[in-house]
Amino acid sequence: DQQVKQNSPSLSVQEGRISILNCDYTNSMFDYFLWYKKYPAEGPTFLISISSIKDKNEDGRFTVFLNKSAKHLSLHIVPSQPGDSAVYFCAATHVTDKLIFGTGTRLQVFP
Amino acid sequence: GAVVSQHPSWVICKSGTSVKIECRSLDFQATTMFWYRQFPKQSLMLMATSNEGSKATYEQGVEKDKFLINHASLTLSTLTVTSAHPEDSSFYICSARDQFPIAGTSGAGELFFGEGSRLTVL
Repeated sequence: DQQVKQNSPSLSVQEGRISILNCDYTNSMFDYFLWYKKYPAEGPTFLISISSIKDKNEDGRFTVFLNKSAKHLSLHIVPSQPGDSAVYFCAATHVTDKLIFGTGTRLQVFP
Repeated sequence: GAVVSQHPSWVICKSGTSVKIECRSLDFQATTMFWYRQFPKQSLMLMATSNEGSKATYEQGVEKDKFLINHASLTLSTLTVTSAHPEDSSFYICSARDQFPIAGTSGAGELFFGEGSRLTVL
């Protein structure tokens, strides 16, 4: 039972344009959501998070939106840069540190 | 920033042997560490929660006798894959949380991941 889903396995975006990565979840108990970036053969690195009491959190080029009624969150990267090319995982948790990860979306930013 | 280091980063072993992977928090103390496993093109699956000074808590479906976890100090957790078989080949990643997270958050945002260890069992 996949509680956190990223239905798009890959995304290709031109440099300078907006990248939108989507994530859906099924467990209404989740109250904290995170996005991680991962390069091959490396561990994930934390990007941005959002608490369920908010619907938007912004950090530089990265913005995460949360729609609790739809159980959906998205990560916007604008403007996209070639260095953003990586696999992005969304993760969810409820109070504890046990993160439930999505399957990841591979983002490729081309010149 | 906080750093979590794993060793070895990759290991190849023969079927039936045991392999130990270390996870160290380099500049903070971690009472709790987490071990994940990632199959190719799949999600990171939580295997177990490693607790300093006590037994690890395993997720459903994870064989605790096969994946031995020891958290002997506040900066070191080890995962030993016993009697490894080819199906154990995977990418193993640990994470650790600074035991003093930022107040007002769930604490999950202060989780730091190691670089991962790729195990190949021949």
